[in-house]
Order: sequence, then structure tokens, then C-alpha cells
Amino acid sequence: DTEVTQTPKHLVMGMTNKKSLKCEQHMGHRAMYWYKQKAKKPPELMFVYSYEKLSINESVPSRFSPECPNSSLLNLHLHALQPEDSALYLCASSQVLERGTGELFFGEGSRLTVL
Amino acid sequence: KNQVEQSPQSLIILEGKNCTLQCNYTVSPFSNLRWYKQDTGRGPVSLTIMTFSENTKSNGRYTATLDADTKQSSLHITASQLSDSASYICVVRGGYNFNKFYFGSGTKLNVKP
Repeated sequence: DTEVTQTPKHLVMGMTNKKSLKCEQHMGHRAMYWYKQKAKKPPELMFVYSYEKLSINESVPSRFSPECPNSSLLNLHLHALQPEDSALYLCASSQVLERGTGELFFGEGSRLTVL
Repeated sequence: KNQVEQSPQSLIILEGKNCTLQCNYTVSPFSNLRWYKQDTGRGPVSLTIMTFSENTKSNGRYTATLDADTKQSSLHITASQLSDSASYICVVRGGYNFNKFYFGSGTKLNVKP
């Protein structure tokens, strides 16, 4: 079983809805990530938090808003999404480079469908 | 430009046969390379990690190799099983932002009975 927990597993929302994806890890990792994955494609990086501060934003549209309330939690707030935003959203965590070999531990993902 | 390329894109083999997946990268500086297995609709799971000084590493029926000089890695699967059907993704950590991982496009393996 993965040690990164994502909720919900499935989410269906309309283009005017506001929803959030949640991610939690208790491995003491200080780097957390959001990836977006379309069918038959590799994960694409969206955001990276390092020591609870946003360190990378891969030019993601503002309708996606990340939040890292503490070292164990990572949220992705969704608002006014488009149907093309439908995808599998993966959360991951890792040690920061200087403290380990930097394995990415992935959650099972949240399958998002935008109608 | 930091890139990771995998081949083949897809592969079909019969149960019990062996196969080898390839990964070439241009990421610099290099930190480590991992092979991940991803079942459809699930999160990727790490199979093995290769650091700069390692040439070969095994994990059960999976054996990974790394040639840091040519920047090539391979994943060899022995005596394939139906449960090996999945996407295999090569992920390289490196570059000048230490929290960035570079993903290959994956190899889709289909093991048939």
C-alpha cells in the first residue's frame, strides 16, 4: 500500500464548481508534488513544495491553486476548470536531495472528470 | 536541454519470455535514475534506483543497468508474468533544481498468455 494518501479517488465536477484534492504523507518528507497525467502519457509536473514553500510552478493556469498547510498535507484547489483538465492527478513526496536518494513516492491518484 | 527518452513505446511479449526496456537521458548534472511501474489508473511504484556509481541492480525478476558515461539505462524483465503488464517509466533526478524529476514517456508492456 502506498504511504501517500490521496482523496477523493474520483471526482466529477462542473465547470463552475469549486472543489479540492487532498494529499497526506507521514514519512517526514519535506518535498511534495502535484502531477497531472493524461491517458497514455507520463506524469507532468505542476507544482513542487519544498519545506512548505512553493518552489516550482510549471506555468500552471490560476484555476489550479496549490496549498501546503503543513509538512504532511498538500491540497490542490480547483475552480472554473475546463473539460480538458480531466485527468489523473497524482500527489508525490520525497526527501529533499541533500537528505537522501530522492525517491518519489506516489499516491494512487485522484481521477478528475470535468463536465 | 534535460530530456529522457524511452524505447520501445510499446511491447508485446508472451508469458515466460524475457524483455529489455531502454532509457537514454541528457539530464545534467545527474543525481539518480529510477524505474517505475505504473498499472493503469494507479500511481507509479518504484522498482529500482541507480546512482552514479552503480552499474547493475536487481529486484527479483527486474534487473536495471546504468552506463553513466553513455547516459543509458536498461530494465530487463526475466520470465515475464501477466502481472508485469503495465507502463514502465524511467525517471531521472538532476539538473540544477534539485527537486525536479525528468520523466520518460514510458514503455507500455503487454504480456500475453
